[in-house]
Amino acid sequence: GAGVSQSPRYKVAKRGQDVALRCDPISGHVSLFWYQQALGQGPEFLTYFQNEAQLDKSGLPSDRFFAERPEGSVSTLKIQRTQQEDSAVYLCASSLIQGQGYEQYFGPGTRLTVT
Amino acid sequence: AQSVSQHNHHVILSEAASLELGCNYSYGGTVNLFWYVQYPGQHLQLLLKYFSGDPLVKGIKGFEAEFIKSKFSFNLRKPSVQWSDTAEYFCAVGDDKIIFGKGTRLHILP
Repeated sequence: GAGVSQSPRYKVAKRGQDVALRCDPISGHVSLFWYQQALGQGPEFLTYFQNEAQLDKSGLPSDRFFAERPEGSVSTLKIQRTQQEDSAVYLCASSLIQGQGYEQYFGPGTRLTVT
Repeated sequence: AQSVSQHNHHVILSEAASLELGCNYSYGGTVNLFWYVQYPGQHLQLLLKYFSGDPLVKGIKGFEAEFIKSKFSFNLRKPSVQWSDTAEYFCAVGDDKIIFGKGTRLHILP
């Protein structure tokens, strides 16, 4: 079956540009997560949704980062006025349920390079 | 503070050698522990997980991990590695949001 998909796979942005990264979760998955993975590091939590509700956005590094999931399916992570330190791989994951027993399924990521 | 520490950043082994990757965690909530693997050019995928019950957990491809509560550890083991185990391995802890370690790059020599 189809897994989590993300687009674009690669994005190059000039400093100061806005970018939008898309995540299509596995159909029927209630929870959706965004992570940021810098070079040589493990993924770091950014935010997560249960259906359309954003339940935790404590990992968003600044107010330039904004995520939405308006219909409880596709999600978009938007970064305004990109900076060089935003360069990273942005991972999306989805899970069927929350709580014990869930497994997060990861997408391939979007590699963002800010020049 | 919540954190995960992986002891080795880069491990090189020959095929058939035994493997143990160390992981220690600091976490204040319900302890759910994971090992994820990322093979070259592929997505992160779950190798095994511990939520409760038997502290010795078996995962895919012959991997296992042991949760030792008194040591705050969740080490990954495999008795005999294969060249195809070359990958990056991440230990993680969490409930709704997952906290990952920095990863261990495992390179198996044929």
